[in-house]
Amino acid sequence: NAGVTQTPKFRILKIGQSMTLQCTQDMNHNYMYWYRQDPGMGLKLIYYSVGAGITDKGEVPNGYNVSRSTTEDFPLRLELAAPSQTSVYFCASSSGLAGLSEQFFGPGTRLTVL
Amino acid sequence: GNSVTQMEGPVTLSEEAFLTINCTYTATGYPSLFWYVQYPGEGLQLLLKATKADDKGSNKGFEATYRKETTSFHLEKGSVQVSDSAVYFCALIRGSQGNLIFGKGTKLSVKP
Repeated sequence: NAGVTQTPKFRILKIGQSMTLQCTQDMNHNYMYWYRQDPGMGLKLIYYSVGAGITDKGEVPNGYNVSRSTTEDFPLRLELAAPSQTSVYFCASSSGLAGLSEQFFGPGTRLTVL
Repeated sequence: GNSVTQMEGPVTLSEEAFLTINCTYTATGYPSLFWYVQYPGEGLQLLLKATKADDKGSNKGFEATYRKETTSFHLEKGSVQVSDSAVYFCALIRGSQGNLIFGKGTKLSVKP
């Protein structure tokens, strides 16, 4: 049981490049989340999904897109990378609503945009 | 709006010392409160939680009590170990359909 896995672990992008951060969970959780953590700051919610085919914006969605075609996968897309997107990105999943169910986190992807 | 304030780190302690990491919150109503821990190279893990005033969450020797009167949820451990070295995050959520609001995190280093 791997839990929540994220790839890649590290990535350096040039301004304007695009990339997809991958997230997969094997716990059959309906709810999935993407957070970013800037240096010295707490985690902020980018997007979340309550099930396959359903996604919604979090606190800081600008510059990102998501899709949820399967229960297991929740990729995060950066279309035009900007230095402000330099951060550590965490994916998480839970079996139910955030207020009622524990969220399980992946190990994170460290992204640098130069 | 809702927010969480944690004490600034890093915190460096010797093994077997007493630990307190302060956390205060701002929220309307009655949020649920959490402590998450992030060990080096890993994702966040739920350490403990409390869902109503005066509740005490506990796990792995750590404790935190939900204090409505002081809007606080301080994390304590009586005797820390080197293996407790990690970053600790305080968080809150309002209602079952809300989203987690995190503090900035406090890095703890425990020296042998």
